[in-house]
Amino acid sequence: GENVEQHPSTLSVQEGDSAVIKCTYSDSASNYFPWYKQELGKGSQLIIDIRSNVGEKKDQRIAVTLNKTAKHFSLHITETQPEDSAVYFCAVLGAADNFNKFYFGSGTKLNVKP
Amino acid sequence: DAGVTQSPTHLIKTRGQHVTLRCSPISGHKSVSWYQQVLGQGPQFIFQYYEKEERGRGNFPDRFSARQFPNYSSELNVNALLLGDSALYLCASSLQVRGVGVNTIYFGEGSWLTVV
Repeated sequence: GENVEQHPSTLSVQEGDSAVIKCTYSDSASNYFPWYKQELGKGSQLIIDIRSNVGEKKDQRIAVTLNKTAKHFSLHITETQPEDSAVYFCAVLGAADNFNKFYFGSGTKLNVKP
Repeated sequence: DAGVTQSPTHLIKTRGQHVTLRCSPISGHKSVSWYQQVLGQGPQFIFQYYEKEERGRGNFPDRFSARQFPNYSSELNVNALLLGDSALYLCASSLQVRGVGVNTIYFGEGSWLTVV
């Protein structure tokens, strides 16, 4: 199966700074990579995703970059705000399965200090 | 539109007991997946159901079972509960079992299970 590693496990930034979270994966055939934001009482929300036919995708302050050669992808949050504080998970859709099996990283707890 | 809904939100069970968790997918979604998230870790795939049939299973013991109903809602059942089954159980819905552009899964808020 797929092996997904996520770093860092915790990240503390000052409001207004940028935050970057990186994930690596093992199966070069994988082609779909979503990011989820998990907050207590709000569940896990899909915030952005990328498919392997593109190298970067942006949505306002959030961007994801994908390096297929190196098998890593990163979440970039610019101009961070206190409401960005949450746990973020990267995920990879397993390439070897004929069903929707996602492999998740272990999560990054982001703390944005006002 | 309602998102993925799960019940109950929290429950406490004793070792050896049985638990049933319920999930209703997003309207129009025919596939439901279940994930287990242990504290401090990412979600781990348990099952995927599509059109009432099991389409995928993760590395979980036979004590874990699930089913999907004609209205696409689903139940996750866990028998003979162990302390290690304490976790957040997430239900996710998607349009289909798999396909280009339809892989995206949307999570419910989860059911927190504590086994004592």
